[in-house]
Amino acid sequence: DAKTTQPPSMDCAEGRAANLPCNHSTISGNEYVYWYRQIHSQGPQYIIHGLKNNETNEMASLIITEDRKSSTLILPHATLRDTAVYYCIVKLTGGGNKLTFGTGTQLKVEL
Amino acid sequence: EAGVTQFPSHSVIEKGQTVTLRCDPISGHDNLYWYRRVMGKEIKFLLHFVKESKQDESGMPNNRFLAERTGGTYSTLKVQPAELEDSGVYFCASSATGKKAKNIQYFGAGTRLSVL
Repeated sequence: DAKTTQPPSMDCAEGRAANLPCNHSTISGNEYVYWYRQIHSQGPQYIIHGLKNNETNEMASLIITEDRKSSTLILPHATLRDTAVYYCIVKLTGGGNKLTFGTGTQLKVEL
Repeated sequence: EAGVTQFPSHSVIEKGQTVTLRCDPISGHDNLYWYRRVMGKEIKFLLHFVKESKQDESGMPNNRFLAERTGGTYSTLKVQPAELEDSGVYFCASSATGKKAKNIQYFGAGTRLSVL
């Protein structure tokens, strides 16, 4: 799986959009970008994933650059409950592939 | 629908003792994974079951760790004998099979293992 690079930490004011970047310059054509997060003392939680088109669901939006070498996870209206470590993971889809977690970005949402 | 459940939530044992962790995946999920995070490190993959078969056990640290999934339902991870460096949080995850499943893994809350 391709390696990803994320900033170690970010702060965001409550109610504002949180934009979390991820670099994956060695991504291959059949690898997807997955985002998970881990809220303190809980297990990792799936957020969203995409291949090359932008994706949106009830939790977040995922913007993938045209060359696919980077992406941004957007939490449109961050709340205190969004404080967590966010992981950008590049992997093949299909049944059974393991997740390779890096160090992620610690997002702190403040009043 | 129940999520992935893990038991116990916390276990404290002495070095040399045996501990067994249990994971109940989401009903109907053929894929079951074990991960762990030891102190200060990243979450690391341990192994992957497809039903009752071990698909990938490349992350298992050594032969003190034994994972089973008899009958393809719940799984156990036994550590025998436990060492100090085994302390950490052990996560279990499950996923469905098939294209619609999109290989989304659903995680349990983890078992915090403390070896003294």
